[in-house]
Amino acid sequence: GAVVSQHPSRVICKSGTSVKIECRSLDFQATTMFWYRQFPKKSLMLMATSNEGSKATYEQGVEKDKFLINHASLTLSTLTVTSAHPEDSSFYICSARQGSLGEQFFGPGTRLTVL
Amino acid sequence: LAKTTQPISMDSYEGQEVNITCSHNNIATNDYITWYQQFPSQGPRFIIQGYKTKVTNEVASLFIPADRKSSTLSLPRVSLSDTAVYYCLVGASYNTDKLIFGTGTRLQVFP
Repeated sequence: GAVVSQHPSRVICKSGTSVKIECRSLDFQATTMFWYRQFPKKSLMLMATSNEGSKATYEQGVEKDKFLINHASLTLSTLTVTSAHPEDSSFYICSARQGSLGEQFFGPGTRLTVL
Repeated sequence: LAKTTQPISMDSYEGQEVNITCSHNNIATNDYITWYQQFPSQGPRFIIQGYKTKVTNEVASLFIPADRKSSTLSLPRVSLSDTAVYYCLVGASYNTDKLIFGTGTRLQVFP
């Protein structure tokens, strides 16, 4: 199957700082990428859907000014957690899909810890 | 998207067959049933997808009754490495704009 990578795999930051997480599709062009958040022992929660070259669509309850998503190319989407707080500590997972018809391939996730 | 209900957890022993059932009473005509596997601190991995009757691949089988209001993921002869969370999702095949994950079933395989 197709490969999706995330960078970094783990990040620790201080409260109030911003953190950027990258999601890359390595061997295919992803017109759509999704960002999920997962708290310990909980299920994945969809945060937003991003289409290449357009603004992301955020799920209800997700602050778009806090979680900035950029999908500037067909192989890269970034999620920036701005002014991070300890409650933003979570496992962030992206997925990528080629075109409007296609399976979603998931990245390995990024563990964010905000001190 | 149809809501799904799965057991929160299941235990098994190595070598046994494990069947995880998912209820999706409100499944729509166009909906497919997809199962994902997730290991700790990893992204989910696609296991199998089906629409009706039975689907089998090298990893698992998926049984879907005629009314499609439930489905059963069957894992033959599980090993310790099958310890994971298994998610049942219902939505349009591949064309699903969103994947809505339910609570999942935490499978623990013992030696």
